[in-house]
Amino acid sequence: NAGVTQTPKFQVLKTGQSMTLQCAQDMNHEYMSWYRQDPGMGLRLIHYSVGAGITDQGEVPNGYNVSRSTTEDFPLRLLSAAPSQTSVYFCASSYERSNTGELFFGEGSRLTVL
Amino acid sequence: AQTVTQSQPEMSVQEAETVTLSCTYDTSESDYYLFWYKQPPSRQMILVIRQEAYKQQNATENRFSVNFQKAAKSFSLKISDSQLGDAAMYFCAYIRSSGTYKYIFGTGTRLKVLA
Repeated sequence: NAGVTQTPKFQVLKTGQSMTLQCAQDMNHEYMSWYRQDPGMGLRLIHYSVGAGITDQGEVPNGYNVSRSTTEDFPLRLLSAAPSQTSVYFCASSYERSNTGELFFGEGSRLTVL
Repeated sequence: AQTVTQSQPEMSVQEAETVTLSCTYDTSESDYYLFWYKQPPSRQMILVIRQEAYKQQNATENRFSVNFQKAAKSFSLKISDSQLGDAAMYFCAYIRSSGTYKYIFGTGTRLKVLA
């Protein structure tokens, strides 16, 4: 049981480049989400999904796109990277739609935009 | 809007001693859930303890316990018999019990355990 898998773990981009952070879970969780972690700011929700075909914005969605075509995968796309998107990104999932469920996190992806 | 505040950016504790991490939150909701998550140097977040707002009894998980004061909107984490492996960032988190899937996290407290 791999849990939540994020790739890549490290990435360096130039301003304006695009990339996709991959997230996959093998626990059949309905809920999946993306957070960014910045020093002194905790974790901030970017986008989330409660099932295949359903996504919604979190606190800081600008500059990011998501889609959920399968239960297992929830990729995060940066269409035109900016230095302000330098951060550590976490994918998290939960199997309880009632919001009481424990969030299971991936190991994080450190992104640097030059 | 709901907010979660952790006013202690960093704490230190001697091995085998007890330490309390503070968390306050602001909400107009009556039903919600509160969590403490641990982030060790490996970066992967893991759940430490969870509290449902409608339960008056404080949650306990082995050496970890909470002091949940609903009226004061306070949710502190007590770690007893601290161990070197407890050194990590600790995040307090909140979520409404219905209508939204937006977890709100505090800014974190870095705990150092001194041998």
